[in-house]
Amino acid sequence: LAKTTQPISMDSYEGQEVNITCSHNNIATNDYITWYQQFPSQGPRFIIQGYKTKVTNEVASLFIPADRKSSTLSLPRVSLSDTAVYYCLVEGGGTSYGKLTFGQGTILTVHP
Amino acid sequence: GAVVSQHPSRVICKSGTSVKIECRSLDFQATTMFWYRQFPKQSLMLMATSNEGSKATYEQGVEKDKFLINHASLTLSTLTVTSAHPEDSSFYICSAIPGTNTEAFFGQGTRLTVV
Repeated sequence: LAKTTQPISMDSYEGQEVNITCSHNNIATNDYITWYQQFPSQGPRFIIQGYKTKVTNEVASLFIPADRKSSTLSLPRVSLSDTAVYYCLVEGGGTSYGKLTFGQGTILTVHP
Repeated sequence: GAVVSQHPSRVICKSGTSVKIECRSLDFQATTMFWYRQFPKQSLMLMATSNEGSKATYEQGVEKDKFLINHASLTLSTLTVTSAHPEDSSFYICSAIPGTNTEAFFGQGTRLTVV
């Protein structure tokens, strides 16, 4: 399974856009990039998933360059409730799908 | 989205006793579920893959005789921590995927404290 590298922590303020970049240099051809959010004492929650280029949903955007060796999660106009740990994962298809390897994640703190 | 529920959310037990944690997929069937453990200020670590109707697959370093997994139905997997010790105190989380190549849905986690 590909290893991911993210900043350990980030700070932001309410209303700002936050971009968290993840490196995954050894990503395989059939790997997808997935981001999860985790609040203290809760299970992770899916945010977004992509394979290449750009994916957008109601809560975030995911930018993936052509070489797919990195990805950037973009959170528009964060609020205090976005303070959480954000995990970037790469996972392949087939029988190993759902078997996730979590890195250390990025602790995002949003300040008033 | 799909819902995965764990029970109990918190449990305190005495050292040497066993504790059972349930993981249920409420609105979908899951032939495979996953169990993770998370120590304070650390990331999630996969412990085992629970397979309906067959033996669980454990990750390296996880004692299968200590962490008993039973996946007796398509909506229920249980993790039993046997002869628990204080070092087993942790946050245990399960997950399941509703279908092929869909995102994983996690339970709310179970905080186990062994005293």
